Amino acid sequence: GQNIDQPTEMTATEGAIVQINCTYQTSGFNGLFWYQQHAGEAPTFLSYNVLDGLEEKGRFSSFLSRSKGYSYLLLKELQMKDSASYLCAAADSNYQLIWGAGTKLIIKP
Amino acid sequence: IAGITQAPTSQILAAGRRMTLRCTQDMRHNAMYWYRQDLGLGLRLIHYSNTAGTTGKGEVPDGYSVSRANTDDFPLTLASAVPSQTSVYFCASSALETDTQYFGPGTRLTVL
Repeated sequence: GQNIDQPTEMTATEGAIVQINCTYQTSGFNGLFWYQQHAGEAPTFLSYNVLDGLEEKGRFSSFLSRSKGYSYLLLKELQMKDSASYLCAAADSNYQLIWGAGTKLIIKP
Repeated sequence: IAGITQAPTSQILAAGRRMTLRCTQDMRHNAMYWYRQDLGLGLRLIHYSNTAGTTGKGEVPDGYSVSRANTDDFPLTLASAVPSQTSVYFCASSALETDTQYFGPGTRLTVL
């Protein structure tokens, strides 16, 4: 079957670094997406990885290991506005997205 | 209009009633999608359309129908609503089915 696993909730301190992990099992693989979702709002696109390695985009970076079925999202210099849920989604052989339940990130001052 | 709009923003509906959720995009994207989001679960695909005139079933299509008469609009219809359809519904679109998906603001639906 197809499955995405990510932690339910994480807590971090303002100014610190946090890493949110995601493991996936899909029928075929066409890339890994990360989205951010603030409470009561729509998911917004953060990053896409299809090749192994690290993609850096400002304070956010995303890593992929296809052989391990593993990705992480790294958030640096945390700000209060980063408090949100972070959704991991893998594209299967038909390019349909399989979604994790999301990781709720709580930032404390 | 910029991006994707959905209507209504929220709705309370009696069980057994028919309801259509509207979705419109102005980005000329070929592919559109309907998801539902429930607490503790990931987004689940209900129906999708890779191009105008075609539709397909997602993971949870039962009790829902869609149509795609043109590029911009992708309405979702609940023929006879049931309480288990209480959820937040998101419409999304992408240039092609292989591309990044962008989401509308969502419709919060409560079926009593």
